[in-house]
Amino acid sequence: AQSVTQLDSHVSVSEGTPVLLRCNYSSSYSPSLFWYVQHPNKGLQLLLKYTSAATLVKGINGFEAEFKKSETSFHLTKPSAHMSDAAEYFCVVGPNTDKLIFGTGTRLQVFP
Amino acid sequence: DTGVSQDPRHKITKRGQNVTFRCDPISEHNRLYWYRQTLGQGPEFLTYFQNEAQLEKSRLLSDRFSAERPKGSFSTLEIQRTEQGDSAMYLCASSKTNTEAFFGQGTRLTVV
Repeated sequence: AQSVTQLDSHVSVSEGTPVLLRCNYSSSYSPSLFWYVQHPNKGLQLLLKYTSAATLVKGINGFEAEFKKSETSFHLTKPSAHMSDAAEYFCVVGPNTDKLIFGTGTRLQVFP
Repeated sequence: DTGVSQDPRHKITKRGQNVTFRCDPISEHNRLYWYRQTLGQGPEFLTYFQNEAQLEKSRLLSDRFSAERPKGSFSTLEIQRTEQGDSAMYLCASSKTNTEAFFGQGTRLTVV
């Protein structure tokens, strides 16, 4: 069985400061891991994906995530938050792209 | 627009009525997925198709739910005898085999 736990339901940062959104996963085999972002009234957009290649994955809009097997974590980071980053972020696990299992989401607020 | 298209975007129906949603995937994508998202939760997998074949159905998909993809292109999701608990955002996604899934903007169903 596979599952993901997003450790924070809400994260608030000031514009220009670093962002850290935490995700732990559980999988009985080597997982594929994803981060998706959902802006209000827009579809889910893929930020980045890990599929057993490099453990540090770079995505769009300056986001990156590091796969740490020993910690079963896949935290999402960005060095400097922008107002446009305010959205809901989902950590997702899957065997590949079949039957993606989503976390409950982290709402990111960015203050000026 | 060459993304995943869903219709309608919003649907309000009375309890007990039947509703049908349509999803048009990205044209060259052979896989099509349906997810359901309730308020404050991440999307939950319902079912997916590879071409016209329905390969997996979640236990969330009760007998009142049926999905089809008759020609391996667009798909429909029908809910019979709607209940208030069916109120949710219904998301469609498509992909090529073993590649990332692209999501539509969803159909928001409200059962009154």
